[in-house]
Amino acid sequence: QQQVKQSPQSLIVQKGGISIINCAYENTAFDYFPWYQQFPGKGPALLIAIRPDVSEKKEGRFTISFNKSAKQFSLHIMDSQPGDSATYFCAASTSGTYKYIFGTGTRLKVLA
Amino acid sequence: DAGITQSPRHKVTETGTPVTLRCHQTENHRYMYWYRQDPGHGLRLIHYSYGVKDTDKGEVSDGYSVSRSKTEDFLLTLESATSSQTSVYFCAIRQGANTGELFFGEGSRLTVL
Repeated sequence: QQQVKQSPQSLIVQKGGISIINCAYENTAFDYFPWYQQFPGKGPALLIAIRPDVSEKKEGRFTISFNKSAKQFSLHIMDSQPGDSATYFCAASTSGTYKYIFGTGTRLKVLA
Repeated sequence: DAGITQSPRHKVTETGTPVTLRCHQTENHRYMYWYRQDPGHGLRLIHYSYGVKDTDKGEVSDGYSVSRSKTEDFLLTLESATSSQTSVYFCAIRQGANTGELFFGEGSRLTVL
């Protein structure tokens, strides 16, 4: 049972373009939605996270948009750079259990 | 950053043999996790721990057991390894009482022949 569905599986973007990755969840008890970035041979690292009391959070070129009614959230990478080429995972968790469920990942390639 | 050490980093074993992966943290973080990463499946939670001797199952716990006898160590055991358990295994700790950030280790690549 996949509780967090992520799309697309892979994405190719030109340098300077916008990368958009989407996630949808089913469990309305989720109250924390992080995005992780993973480079080859490394463990995932937290990129940015949001809680459902806000609809958007921005950190530099990275923005999370959150739609509570649709149970969807997305990651936008503005002015995408070759160094952003990595695998991105969305996740969701519930306060109390702190059980983190991840999406299946999106492999992003930014062309120079 | 929390210090997490996973061992071994690479292991090749044969079907039917027992395997134990170790995750060691240098800080007193309460929550520790074991995930496996496979192409097309992303990161799937195997087991997690919320304290010494306190553990719970994740999405894909069948065939795996865990133990946590000390705060700093979280062990993942495959009692009888199968080829379907060939994967990269990541340990993580939850740090930051409010942020809830997971900090991952470097991973352990296990191949079961």
